[in-house]
Amino acid sequence: DTEVTQTPKHLVMGMTNKKSLKCEQHMGHRAMYWYKQKAKKPPELMFVYSYEKLSINESVPSRFSPECPNSSLLNLHLHALQPEDSALYLCASSQDQYYEQYFGPGTRLTVT
Amino acid sequence: KQEVTQIPAALSVPEGENLVLNCSFTDSAIYNLQWFRQDPGKGLTSLLLIQSSQREQTSGRLNASLDKSSGRSTLYIAASQPGDSATYLCAVSNFNKFYFGSGTKLNVKP
Repeated sequence: DTEVTQTPKHLVMGMTNKKSLKCEQHMGHRAMYWYKQKAKKPPELMFVYSYEKLSINESVPSRFSPECPNSSLLNLHLHALQPEDSALYLCASSQDQYYEQYFGPGTRLTVT
Repeated sequence: KQEVTQIPAALSVPEGENLVLNCSFTDSAIYNLQWFRQDPGKGLTSLLLIQSSQREQTSGRLNASLDKSSGRSTLYIAASQPGDSATYLCAVSNFNKFYFGSGTKLNVKP
């Protein structure tokens, strides 16, 4: 099973809301990633977790807060977002850092 | 900082044609290079991964090559089909960083 699942598929939230994105994999991968992708642009790396510890934070604003409760699950907590944060949020996993990455289908986020 | 460039930005070919997509990067100290395809509004599908010590990888009608010293990779698609229409992205990893090119949008006409 080479599947990464993401929920929800779509999310609309106001600037004062708090919401969370969820990502799950059952491939035994030890590295998990969050990317942000704007329309017609390549994905931009936000966070990397390796063995459940945050290993890379690409200077992402604190209104985005990642969490890795266990090796199969990755969350992205959202609070006080801005309209410019509207984008496709992609989760990926790999056996270890630098190995082949497998992506989920993404969550389409709209901030109103 | 690593910069990844993909040329052309868009490509339209008739069905059955063989084609080459290009990816270049400025820092040759890479760990690996991965090719993906992305359909509109969807996630990325991994096509091929080439480790820095490798020169080539093949999967079905796809062949990817890597010339690390010149900072280039190519993705060769044989006998293109309308189902190959998508955006193709290359990504390199080095020094704990991951860098994507901006992609080549491929349209294969029936």
